Parts: sequence; structure tokens; C-alpha cells
Amino acid sequence: NAGVTQTPKFRILKIGQSMTLQCTQDMNHNYMYWYRQDPGMGLKLIYYSVGAGITDKGEVPNGYNVSRSTTEDFPLRLELAAPSQTSVYFCATTIDTYEQYFGPGTRLTVT
Amino acid sequence: QKEVEQDPGPLSVPEGAIVSLNCTYSNSAFQYFMWYRQYSRKGPELLMYTYSSGNKEDGRFTAQVDKSSKYISLFIRDSQPSDSATYLCAIYTGNQFYFGTGTSLTVIP
Repeated sequence: NAGVTQTPKFRILKIGQSMTLQCTQDMNHNYMYWYRQDPGMGLKLIYYSVGAGITDKGEVPNGYNVSRSTTEDFPLRLELAAPSQTSVYFCATTIDTYEQYFGPGTRLTVT
Repeated sequence: QKEVEQDPGPLSVPEGAIVSLNCTYSNSAFQYFMWYRQYSRKGPELLMYTYSSGNKEDGRFTAQVDKSSKYISLFIRDSQPSDSATYLCAIYTGNQFYFGTGTSLTVIP
């Protein structure tokens, strides 16, 4: 089992560009989450999904979009990149309880 | 008011020391409390969880919840250099998780 995989590992974007951060899990978990982690700020929830076809906003959703067409995949879309979106992005899953499994993260820089 | 607040540290201790990491939370209705460990440039991994109040022990690690004061703690006994990491407390509310800002711990050999 690969667990939770995220691509790319690193990316540099110019202001105004768009990109999709990919997240795939092979654990058949219902719940999936996207977080961003800024230095000294902990993890902030961007969006989450309780199953295929269902998504909901977290604490900091502005500037991002998600979709969940399958159980396995939960991509995060940035439409117009801004310097404030420079961060490390983590995808996580859980079957239905408190134990989250995190991916290795994507380091994004917007200049 | 934030759902959970954590002492930011950083902490630096000699090998073998007892480490105490602490968080406070805002809502007395919270029931699930977790501690995650995050090594540099890695994703967090669940270390321990407790439900409701009391203590839970796993090897050198003890998680403690005091619901009367809304305080959660993680104790590490006989700390090792391999314990050097950032420790995040977290609360699960049924569909969302709220994380503390993390405490960076360095254990010096």
C-alpha cells in the first residue's frame, strides 16, 4: 500500500498562474482533507470531503477549489496564484474517526 | 478565540530528560484529543489519542487530558535524539480537525 501520495513534491508558480495539486489514496478511506501549513501557524484546513461527490469548505478556502469524483482522488485547484498561497500543502485521509494519515506534502512557492 | 492553542517552544533538552508539551482548548464539548509528531520536511503522523479525559500511556509517551481546565499534555520520558521533531496537538470535532501551532523539540545527545 502506498498510503497517501501527493504530486508534485515542489513547485514554483508565477503570480496569476494556475495549478492542480494531486492527492491519491489507496486505503479506501471516505474522508479526505487538504491543509496548508505555514511556519509557526500550524495546519489550517482548506477543504474536506466525506465521500465521492461531497465536498465542504474548511477554515481557509478562499483562492482554492476541490472536486471529489472518486474515493481515491481529491485534487486541489489554485486558479490565480498569489504570494499568500506560498505554503506547504498536505493531503490527509481518515476512514471515519480521529486517526488521520498524511501525505508527504507539496511545497509551493508563488513569486 | 482559537479552538486550540499550543505553547510554541522551541524546547531543547538533554537526552534522558522528561519533556512536557502542553495545549489548551476552548470548547468543553470536545471529546477527541490527539498528538501528532512531524519530522522535518515530512507529513504529521499520529502519535497518541485520548477520548474524553484521563491518561493514556504508550511506552515512553503519556497523553493526559484535564477537562476541568481544558488542558491537554504530552509527556515524554527518557527522551531520545530520535524524538527531535515538531509535536502538534489536535482536536477532532466529528468532521473537522483543529491543530495547534506545534512545539519544536530538540533532544541533545
